Amino acid sequence: SYVLTQPPSVSVAPGETARFTCGGNNIRTKSVHWYQQRPGQAPVLVVYDDRDRPSGIPERFSGSNSGNTATLTISRVEAGDEADYYCQVWDSNSDHSIFGGGTKLTVL
Amino acid sequence: EVQLVESGGGVVRPGGSLRLSCAASGFTFDDYGMSWVRQSPGKGLEWVSRINWNGGSTGYADSVKGRFTISRDNAKNSLSLQMNSLRAEDTAFYHCARVLDPARVFDFWGQGTLVTVSS
Repeated sequence: SYVLTQPPSVSVAPGETARFTCGGNNIRTKSVHWYQQRPGQAPVLVVYDDRDRPSGIPERFSGSNSGNTATLTISRVEAGDEADYYCQVWDSNSDHSIFGGGTKLTVL
Repeated sequence: EVQLVESGGGVVRPGGSLRLSCAASGFTFDDYGMSWVRQSPGKGLEWVSRINWNGGSTGYADSVKGRFTISRDNAKNSLSLQMNSLRAEDTAFYHCARVLDPARVFDFWGQGTLVTVSS
C-alpha cells in the first residue's frame, strides 16, 4: 500500500520559515492535503490539493508538490503555529486515504 | 457554522462491541461523503472508514475491515460506526470528518470520542 514519510520534528525560531516534507512514490501525481493539530484539539485543514488554502487560513501557509516530495511551508512562524502537521493523500488503487506519520513543529 | 459532534465512546472489553455516532449540523449533510479517522493516544492519524453521500458506497482500512460497519441516516443528519470484535489496538480517539470529493479532503473534523478496549 502507498506510504507517506514525514520527519518526526522540525524546530525554528519565531519569524523564520518552517518547511515540512512529505515523501511518497511519485507523489506529484496525487493531490496532497495538510492538517494542523494543536495539542488536545481536532485536526484543522490548512492546505488542500497541493497548494490551496481554505478560508481563514493565513497566506503564511503554502504548499507545493513535485517529484517524490510534497512540502508545506509556513513563513514568519509564530508561537501559535506550534503543533503537529500531517500530510494526507487518497490512493485510488486501494481506495484508501493515507496519512503521513506527522511532524511536530517546535517554535524555539 | 459546520459542527460535528461524536458520541458513544467508552470502555469495552476485548471482543466486545460499541456503536459511535456523529451528529452533523451547519451544512447540507447529504451533499457530502463522511469518514471516520482515529488517533491512538500519543500517535498519528489513521483513516478508518468512509461513506459516500447516500450510503451506497463504503470503504474500510484493512485493520478494521470485516469488524467495523459505517452507516448514515440523512434524515437525522447522523453518521454511525458499528465496531465489533474490538481489540486493544482499536483504543483511540475516533473523529468523524466531512469529506470533499474528488480528492477525499477532510475539511471539517469533530473533537472525537475516546474508545478504550481493555480487560
